[in-house]
Amino acid sequence: DQQVKQNSPSLSVQEGRISILNCDYTNSMFDYFLWYKKYPAEGPTFLISISSIKDKNEDGRFTVFLNKSAKHLSLHIVPSQPGDSAVYFCAATFSGTYKYIFGTGTRLKVLA
Amino acid sequence: DAGITQSPRHKVTETGTPVTLRCHQTENHRYMYWYRQDPGHGLRLIHYSYGVKDTDKGEVSDGYSVSRSKTEDFLLTLESATSSQTSVYFCAISEGMGQSSNQPQHFGDGTRLSIL
Repeated sequence: DQQVKQNSPSLSVQEGRISILNCDYTNSMFDYFLWYKKYPAEGPTFLISISSIKDKNEDGRFTVFLNKSAKHLSLHIVPSQPGDSAVYFCAATFSGTYKYIFGTGTRLKVLA
Repeated sequence: DAGITQSPRHKVTETGTPVTLRCHQTENHRYMYWYRQDPGHGLRLIHYSYGVKDTDKGEVSDGYSVSRSKTEDFLLTLESATSSQTSVYFCAISEGMGQSSNQPQHFGDGTRLSIL
C-alpha cells in the first residue's frame, strides 16, 4: 500500500518557466511533509518542508503548497533552471514516529 | 552539509556471502536510518535506530539486521546476500528532539551494492 504517491515519473520544462511537481498521500495522520532533491550518485538533499498547520511555505524559488482536504501537496519551482534537473522525492511523517514515508520520485528535466 | 559518511561506496559480492555496510555521523543526532532505493519504488525504510542499542524494523526488513553500539555508528548487515538485495543503500540521520517529527532527515551519499 503506497501511502505517498508521485504519479508522474518524469517532467520536462523549459528554462525560466514554472515546474510543478505533485504528490498525493492517503494517511490523514501525516502532519509534516518534505521535498528532497537527488542528483545522480549523491544522496537526497532536503529542499523544503511544510507542517499541516500551514497551506503554503516559500523558500526562494521553491514553494510548497498543501491541500489537506485533497491530501495533495505540490512543489513549485519558479523560475526553473537547468541545475534544477534532478529526481524529486516527496515524503511524509506524523508526530512521534520519526519514520518518513517516501514517494517513488519524479525526474525533472529543465531544458535550456 | 550534515556529517554523514557511508562505507564502502561501492561493493560487488557473491550470493550467500555476508555483507556489512557502515554509516558514521558526526552530528550527534539521535535517529539513524537505513533505506534502499530501487527503480519504481523510491526510498524504502529497512531499519532505523532511536538510540544506542535501540532499533526497529522498517517496511523491508527481511534479510537485514542492524546494530548501533555507539551514537555515531549504525551498521547494516546482510547475513547471506541474495541478488534481490542488489540496490543503492542510503543512511540518513535526524535530530529527534521532543515529540515533534517536524525535522528533516539528512542523507549520506549512498552505497551501491551488487550481488552476483
